[in-house]
Amino acid sequence: QVQLQESGPGLVKPSETLSLTCAVSGYSISSGYYWGWIRQPPGKGLEWIGSIYHSGSTYYNPSLKSRVTISVDTSKNQFSLKLSSVTAADTAVYYCARHVLNSAATYFDYWGQGTLVTVSS
Amino acid sequence: SSELTQDPAVSVALGQTVRITCQGDSLRSYYASWYQQKPGQAPVLVIYGKNNRPSGIPDRFSGSSSGNTASLTITGAQAEDEADYYCNSRDSSGNHLAVFGTGTKVTVL
Repeated sequence: QVQLQESGPGLVKPSETLSLTCAVSGYSISSGYYWGWIRQPPGKGLEWIGSIYHSGSTYYNPSLKSRVTISVDTSKNQFSLKLSSVTAADTAVYYCARHVLNSAATYFDYWGQGTLVTVSS
Repeated sequence: SSELTQDPAVSVALGQTVRITCQGDSLRSYYASWYQQKPGQAPVLVIYGKNNRPSGIPDRFSGSSSGNTASLTITGAQAEDEADYYCNSRDSSGNHLAVFGTGTKVTVL
């Protein structure tokens, strides 16, 4: 059973960098698949932030690309998100998920429980 | 286009059938996937690919597609199906690996 668990600060100051880590158990990241981050502002819908392949190739939402960095640590079986220059608009529940991507479809089959990050001074 | 449009809300009587739609240009080229999200919980994948259900998802959930519209059908809706539902697909322009729909709130009466 694949399980994902997000961790990181729940409060970040404006203009600083949001940093989260997703620990994966029950599956080795090195074995394949993409691994992604999705966020959901309070009371709003889902937004894909970006995804990383086990080899390290990354793909980002163009609207966030200038501020996002996703990295992978296969030795620890985890991947991470950094979002710079945050504002109140970045306040959201952040989810990590396994991302299945092929020529016909894209979907997220396993999700973490999510972690609320609030941007406030 | 990177937009996937859903009706904001639909309601269904207990035991009846409800169809949730998702519209977007990318759906002419890519399958949609569907997620159920209950308050305070992470989304759960209910349909992916042409019409596939992950293990544990009841067979009352089914998916279909025609042109630029994908649909999720719940046949014989149960009280526990009351939730928000989101579609998800790729962006046909190639800029987004994943785009989510605007979401539909399903109320079971």
